[in-house]
Amino acid sequence: GESVGLHLPTLSVQEGDNSIINCAYSNSASDYFIWYKQESGKGPQFIIDIRSNMDKRQGQRVTVLLNKTVKHLSLQIAATQPGDSAVYFCAESLTGANYLFFGSGTRLTVIP
Amino acid sequence: GAVVSQHPSWVICKSGTSVKIECRSLDFQATTMFWYRQFPKQSLMLMATSNEGSKATYEQGVEKDKFLINHASLTLSTLTVTSAHPEDSSFYICSARDRRLAGATQYFGPGTRLLVL
Repeated sequence: GESVGLHLPTLSVQEGDNSIINCAYSNSASDYFIWYKQESGKGPQFIIDIRSNMDKRQGQRVTVLLNKTVKHLSLQIAATQPGDSAVYFCAESLTGANYLFFGSGTRLTVIP
Repeated sequence: GAVVSQHPSWVICKSGTSVKIECRSLDFQATTMFWYRQFPKQSLMLMATSNEGSKATYEQGVEKDKFLINHASLTLSTLTVTSAHPEDSSFYICSARDRRLAGATQYFGPGTRLLVL
C-alpha cells in the first residue's frame, strides 16, 4: 500500500538558521503533495503544496522541493523562528483520490 | 478564508455516554469533510469521509455504529461517539475540502480533545 514517511522524527535548529524537513513517499502515482504544520493541541495548518509537474515551489519563508526520481519531498524554512516550532506533516494524494495520506510527522524545535 | 471550526474544543464525559462533535466550514461550502483521530505523538488517522447528503465512508477498522457521522449540510458535519469508553479518549480533528477548488487540499479544524473517564 501507499506510505508516506519521514527520515527524521525530530529536528532541532538554532533560531535564524534554515530548517530542512524531509519526507519520502512510496507511490509513484502520487501527484499532489501538501505540507502541514501542527502546533501542540491544535489542528494541522496548511503551509504549502506542490503538484507533480513541478520541482519547486516557494512561499513566504518556505520552499517545497519535489524529487520524483527518488520519491522525496522536502520543506525548507528560511530564518527559522521560535514560532516555527511544531510538528510538520507531509501528505500525498493519488490521482482521482478524494483524500490524503499522511506521514508520521517531524517535530521541529527552534532553540532561541 | 478556508476556516474550519470545531465544537467543543474540550469534552470530558463519563463512560457510557455519547458525545457529539461539530465541524463547520465557516467561509466556504464543503461537499466533503473528513474525520481524523490522533493519539499523542502520532500522525493523523483517517476515520471516515463524510459526503453531504449521503452516508459516510468509513476506513477499515472503524466501527460505523460507534462513530456516527452526519453531514446534513454543505457547512456542517457531526461526529457522535456513542457509548464512549476510556479507550475512545483521543484528539479528534475534522477537515473540509472547498467545493470550488479542484484537488485534495483539506483545511483542518482546531480539534476536539475527548477524555472519557
